[in-house]
Amino acid sequence: DAGVIQSPRHEVTEMGQEVTLRCKPISGHNSLFWYRQTMMRGLELLIYFNNNVPIDDSGMPEDRFSAKMPNASFSTLKIQPSEPRDSAVYFCASTRGTSGSSYNEQFFGPGTRLTVL
Amino acid sequence: GENVEQHPSTLSVQEGDSAVIKCTYSDSASNYFPWYKQELGKRPQLIIDIRSNVGEKKDQRIAVTLNKTAKHFSLHITETQPEDSAVYFCAAPTGFQKLVFGTGTRLLVSP
Repeated sequence: DAGVIQSPRHEVTEMGQEVTLRCKPISGHNSLFWYRQTMMRGLELLIYFNNNVPIDDSGMPEDRFSAKMPNASFSTLKIQPSEPRDSAVYFCASTRGTSGSSYNEQFFGPGTRLTVL
Repeated sequence: GENVEQHPSTLSVQEGDSAVIKCTYSDSASNYFPWYKQELGKRPQLIIDIRSNVGEKKDQRIAVTLNKTAKHFSLHITETQPEDSAVYFCAAPTGFQKLVFGTGTRLLVSP
């Protein structure tokens, strides 16, 4: 298996532009997570999906952020409009979720380094 | 919800020494505690985890211990090597398949 795939790996954009980050989870995994990592705030969970349904989006910083998972093999995180404070590394992770009380390893993608000028 | 605190934030050791990183959690119902290693510019990767039905788990030079009464768990690395230099994150569950991560410990192993 190729692991979790993210694109692009690097994105540089100007303030106000729309940014779309993409993720392909590991085949057979039914839970997908979007994280943001910065020096100041560490690793933050933004949103996660189970069986393509958003379960918890309480970590999404504001309405400028949105995420979708149209099918089991693809998810997007969109920022519109982008701001310099959105600059961070965005990770997607997936796992095989079995039940609420049983946890399995989360596999992270390589991340997308976003720079908003 | 669950709250995880991790200490120290940085740790410098000499090659061959042991390193210990400690995390505390708040929810006594938490039952799964993973440790992730993140090398510079790379993704976090699971190195070891422990479930609440055991007190200790070892995998070669790394081990994790869990004290449910005190609500803390620790990562132990013995015979450290330069390639152990990385940021280590602990985590605890806070909902269906959802984890909250500690703030990370930057470990530097000097030759």
